[in-house]
Amino acid sequence: DAGITQSPRHKVTETGTPVTLRCHQTENHRYMYWYRQDPGHGLRLIHYSYGVKDTDKGEVSDGYSVSRSKTEDFLLTLESATSSQTSVYFCAISESTGGTLEKLFFGSGTQLSVL
Amino acid sequence: GQSLEQPSEVTAVEGAIVQINCTYQTSGFYGLSWYQQHDGGAPTFLSYNALDGLEETGRFSSFLSRSDSYGYLLLQELQMKDSASYFCAVPKRGAGTALIFGKGTTLSVSS
Repeated sequence: DAGITQSPRHKVTETGTPVTLRCHQTENHRYMYWYRQDPGHGLRLIHYSYGVKDTDKGEVSDGYSVSRSKTEDFLLTLESATSSQTSVYFCAISESTGGTLEKLFFGSGTQLSVL
Repeated sequence: GQSLEQPSEVTAVEGAIVQINCTYQTSGFYGLSWYQQHDGGAPTFLSYNALDGLEETGRFSSFLSRSDSYGYLLLQELQMKDSASYFCAVPKRGAGTALIFGKGTTLSVSS
């Protein structure tokens, strides 16, 4: 299994509070991603990173920010959590070989509930 | 924009064969991937097609027709453990390695 650890695994918070989710990898992979998963919506890309301090927006980036100061860590921050951000958050990593196959390895997910 | 369409649910019995279809809209096509996710678990990679035709991996096969913007995942000799959600995905345009996923197909296998 790919060495990906997400923390916390579960979190309950209140509307308006800041929340930071952490993704830590031991694979030294260049690319890291944050997805959210909601019933009926599948997996939606929030932000991704293609290197230290190199990040970009995905499909549903509003209300989220990310940081990557080290290869192994990718942080997702909800500056002011809202109930619509209640979801399961998955981190994923990949290592491009320059070819066309980009296999993603996913972490175990973080269940976030915003009350 | 980019989008993928797949059926929301499929049911089958043990030992049967089931096909999960995926149609996509994207420019600059770079391949179609399939992922499996068991309830409460993380998605895991199943297969990838860059060229037209059938790719076989054990009981699972994946097919691609680029001219029809269409692919499918074929599961043979179904087992109860195949009950899961299956997602097709294509690379996000302009985002290198990031993937855009379909909404997923829930497969229920009964005995």
